[in-house]
Amino acid sequence: ELKVEQNPLFLSMQEEKNYTIYCNYSTTSDRLYWYRQDPGKSLESLFVLLSNGAVKQEGRLMASLDTKARLSTLHITAAVHDLSATYFCAVDINFGNEKLTFGTGTRLTIIP
Amino acid sequence: ETGVTQSPTHLIKTRGQQVTLRCSSQSGHNTVSWYQQALGQGPQFIFQYYREEENGRGNFPPRFSGLQFPNYSSELNVNALELDDSALYLCASSLGGVTEQYFGPGTRLTVT
Repeated sequence: ELKVEQNPLFLSMQEEKNYTIYCNYSTTSDRLYWYRQDPGKSLESLFVLLSNGAVKQEGRLMASLDTKARLSTLHITAAVHDLSATYFCAVDINFGNEKLTFGTGTRLTIIP
Repeated sequence: ETGVTQSPTHLIKTRGQQVTLRCSSQSGHNTVSWYQQALGQGPQFIFQYYREEENGRGNFPPRFSGLQFPNYSSELNVNALELDDSALYLCASSLGGVTEQYFGPGTRLTVT
């Protein structure tokens, strides 16, 4: 059974600091997603990582994938308040069939 | 282009009742997946429909059933509701194996 674990589960950061969220998964996969979810809202797609060594950046967020280590990271640079949300990684173990297994989520709070 | 829509937004049901949730897929998409997200947890895959056929199912009992229609919209039916069925139900559509999936706004189900 595929397991997807994120850490930390909760993260309080001061503005302008840097931090990294980790996503480990237990089965080989070549496709990993990062989503953002605001309270009471649906999932917003942030990144799709399709191959080993993939790195994608959007604004203050950067995601990377190491398929050999079964590890993805979401790095936050110089955090700002509007990045406060819950972040999920999700793994698709059958390439392209979109049946995702989600991690536990990381609730990020940016403190002014 | 119309995104993924779901109805209703919220509903309250009593234990033992039945409920039907609806999802309209994004234009051009032929695959719909359903997820259950309990409070404070990551979404869990319920099942997927591809061209009107069930195309994979997660670890959910048979009282969770679904349909996909010729226009690729979909329904999720839950019989004999239990208190633990209270959750946010998300549907996501994609062009099977070609595009990533896009999530709808969700239906918040409360079972009392």
